[in-house]
Amino acid sequence: AQTVTQSQPEMSVQEAETVTLSCTYDTSENNYYLFWYKQPPSRQMILVIRQEAYKQQNATENRFSVNFQKAAKSFSLKISDSQLGDTAMYFCAFMKHAPGNKLVFGAGTILRVKS
Amino acid sequence: NAGVTQTPKFQVLKTGQSMTLQCAQDMNHNSMYWYRQDPGMGLRLIYYSASEGTTDKGEVPNGYNVSRLNKREFSLRLESAAPSQTSVYFCASSGGQGAGQPQHFGDGTRLSIL
Repeated sequence: AQTVTQSQPEMSVQEAETVTLSCTYDTSENNYYLFWYKQPPSRQMILVIRQEAYKQQNATENRFSVNFQKAAKSFSLKISDSQLGDTAMYFCAFMKHAPGNKLVFGAGTILRVKS
Repeated sequence: NAGVTQTPKFQVLKTGQSMTLQCAQDMNHNSMYWYRQDPGMGLRLIYYSASEGTTDKGEVPNGYNVSRLNKREFSLRLESAAPSQTSVYFCASSGGQGAGQPQHFGDGTRLSIL
């Protein structure tokens, strides 16, 4: 079974600075997908970024980028120019390349952006 | 475009009562999911439906049943609620061409069982 570990329960960052959230996973699969979801205090689950394991290039979405290290089974999220609206719980999630598109989530990291 | 709609948003039950959480999606997705979210544990899959007419257990299915009523709707039933089922419940759906499609989530249901 796959597991996802987020080792930082809480982090804080000053507005406009850069922060990196860590995620590691354990799998014997070679083909899979990785995601970061954001959950603000409103409780919505919002997709931040998606990475395909067979692609070497790291995914980026505006101020959000990932550092995907397949051999190390590491998938960190970098947030540049942090904004107050980035304050949220961030979840890393793993999906096998298999019917059903099931996700396995990490426990989450609470990020607080300070003004 | 509403996406994934869950009802109700909040509910308080007494131990032993039954309840059905409703979920509907308007994105024509094949797959639908029910998760529970507990502090410090992320989201855990209860049941999922890969396509209309099929349902399968996830990581934590005990105490729950599901029904995939049609392609749009996927309900979660608690037959005899227990305090351990106090949680926030999320419904999600995924679909489209190719594997690895992201899941789209409803706004969640906060359920308290006394």
